[in-house]
Amino acid sequence: DGGITQSPKYLFRKEGQNVTLSCEQNLNHDAMYWYRQDPGQGLRLIYYSQIVNDFQKGDIAEGYSVSREKKESFPLTVTSAQKNPTAFYLCASRLDSNTGELFFGEGSRLTVL
Amino acid sequence: GNSVTQMEGPVTLSEEAFLTINCTYTATGYPSLFWYVQYPGEGLQLLLKATKADDKGSNKGFEATYRKETTSFHLEKGSVQVSDSAVYFCALSDRRYGNNRLAFGKGNQVVVIP
Repeated sequence: DGGITQSPKYLFRKEGQNVTLSCEQNLNHDAMYWYRQDPGQGLRLIYYSQIVNDFQKGDIAEGYSVSREKKESFPLTVTSAQKNPTAFYLCASRLDSNTGELFFGEGSRLTVL
Repeated sequence: GNSVTQMEGPVTLSEEAFLTINCTYTATGYPSLFWYVQYPGEGLQLLLKATKADDKGSNKGFEATYRKETTSFHLEKGSVQVSDSAVYFCALSDRRYGNNRLAFGKGNQVVVIP
């Protein structure tokens, strides 16, 4: 079945460490997105990519980095510069940057100890 | 800028009760509007959508009508079930960047009691 796979589902990290969250899709979608979800704050956009080898900062990009070397993959690195990284991270994709519906992965919960 | 506002606070109701979750938006142009649902521990799923004024989106007994005159897209269901317990997000397509971003509301936790 087509869909978006995020891994790991749960991740623990010590302060000062970088961590990379994986996002893979087999929907043949051009556009991919990373959101952060915190209680009571809804979803906030971290980075997005409209096409391979291209990406743009969202509203809260500081302390994060991404790459888009392949159409199906859009990994997110949470760096040690991110001051408050404990959160639920959601990856999403859609057919192209002009088509409305987003498809989401099941999320990755990162906890910094 | 473009934004979505959802009513404050969780919603707790009994099974078979009527559910309404309010959503209003601010946007330039003619955005598309969406409702997404998130079940515990999962990602978001599209529940319904409407792409132009007066359109009604519907799915699984839920409905929402795109009201341009009141800039609203309220979600309704006539008789909720325990399985409807989830977080519901209203969203719009953000045309500031060529329609390639969605703006989300903060979400409403819905708890249905048997």
